Amino acid sequence: QVQLQESGPGLVKPSETLSLTCTVSGYSISSDFYWGWIRQPPGKGLEWIGLIHHGGNTYYNPSLKSRVTMSVDTSKNQFSLRLSSVTAADTAMYYCARDRGEFYMDVWGKGTTVTVSS
Amino acid sequence: QSVLTQPPSVSGAPGQRVTISCTGSSSDIGARYDVHWYQQLPGAAPKLLIYANSNRPSGVPDRFSGFKFATSASLAISGLQADDEADYYCQSYDSSLSARIFGGGTKLTVL
Repeated sequence: QVQLQESGPGLVKPSETLSLTCTVSGYSISSDFYWGWIRQPPGKGLEWIGLIHHGGNTYYNPSLKSRVTMSVDTSKNQFSLRLSSVTAADTAMYYCARDRGEFYMDVWGKGTTVTVSS
Repeated sequence: QSVLTQPPSVSGAPGQRVTISCTGSSSDIGARYDVHWYQQLPGAAPKLLIYANSNRPSGVPDRFSGFKFATSASLAISGLQADDEADYYCQSYDSSLSARIFGGGTKLTVL
């Protein structure tokens, strides 16, 4: 059974960089598919952040592209998100997910809350 | 502002059938990109409910069905149950943005 688990600091200061890691179990990220991040501000809807292939190809939401960097560590079966210059508007639940490459996400992590505050 | 438009809320009594609409444009649903649906129970992560317009992942009851036509799609839930109460999101791909896009979500209330 494929499982994803997000981890990282729950509190980030404004203007700093948010860093999260998603650990995948039950499936090798080197095998196939893409691996993505989605966020949900409190009380609001879902926003796609971007995704990465194990080969390193990345695809980002144009609205966040200038601040987003994704990477993958196949040796640890993990992939990561970095979002720079954060503001209060980046406060959200962040989810990692497996992307089938057919434009949908079939397995999601439970999510991790990130608050941007001084 | 979401690229795909959904009604903020729908409601129905137990046993009834409800539908949730998802309206897009010529650069997403109308460009023949598939529509997918997710169910988000209170306090939980989203769960894939329907993929590629009308396909159910293993374990999803056949009470849930999806349809796509022109620039819109719909999710139908028949035989409403109390534990269907959740937020439902449609999702597709926008070729002008080169991005996966979501609807704003619809809150289903079972009366």
